[in-house]
Amino acid sequence: AQKITQTQPGMFVQEKEAVTLDCTYDTSDPSYGLFWYKQPSSGEMIFLIYQGSYDQQNATEGRYSLNFQKARKSANLVISASQLGDSAMYFCAMREGLQGAQKLVFGQGTRLTINP
Amino acid sequence: ETGVTQTPRHLVMGMTNKKSLKCEQHLGHNAMYWYKQSAKKPLELMFVYNFKEQTENNSVPSRFSPECPNSSHLFLHLHTLQPEDSALYLCASSPSGEGRYEQYFGPGTRLTVT
Repeated sequence: AQKITQTQPGMFVQEKEAVTLDCTYDTSDPSYGLFWYKQPSSGEMIFLIYQGSYDQQNATEGRYSLNFQKARKSANLVISASQLGDSAMYFCAMREGLQGAQKLVFGQGTRLTINP
Repeated sequence: ETGVTQTPRHLVMGMTNKKSLKCEQHLGHNAMYWYKQSAKKPLELMFVYNFKEQTENNSVPSRFSPECPNSSHLFLHLHTLQPEDSALYLCASSPSGEGRYEQYFGPGTRLTVT
């Protein structure tokens, strides 16, 4: 069974608009972490934001925020005031268990295109 | 400048060649990872090393052979590859232990097997 599901293969958004990228996950482990990464065309994966399963508040990092709905097992990424440089692939990932070396499971990704 | 470097950035090899990918991290991390990213597929975790010990081999074919001589260096030795092994190979590192630790990725090696 797929553990991370990103249902939007591609998204097109006008510059300066906000955009929400969807991510749902599946786990029976009470301790887990959720990550969002950005991958520009250069290939490098860039960490954006993290949400822990026990965190009481939604994570925020600058223009990035995570809409964490634990009961629905969703962790959507919200990018406010989108910029042309936000065009990239975006991956949601999950870590089960919070000890030792990490095993991250990634979703299929969403290709975001920001139009001027 | 990224704390994780990978060489070479591009590699073309025949099916009978032997080559190695190198990864080096300058972040003082204790865990290192190899991932494979094929077109239209999610990133696949291949190997995990924690304090130089391999803790995960995700059913990777034996034509891929990892080596971790110390916590800063990670190699992926390649031999007798198949065309379907063409992909972007990403190395990552992270601290090891309890809690939230994001992985830091290198720029990847784009491998083409002819």
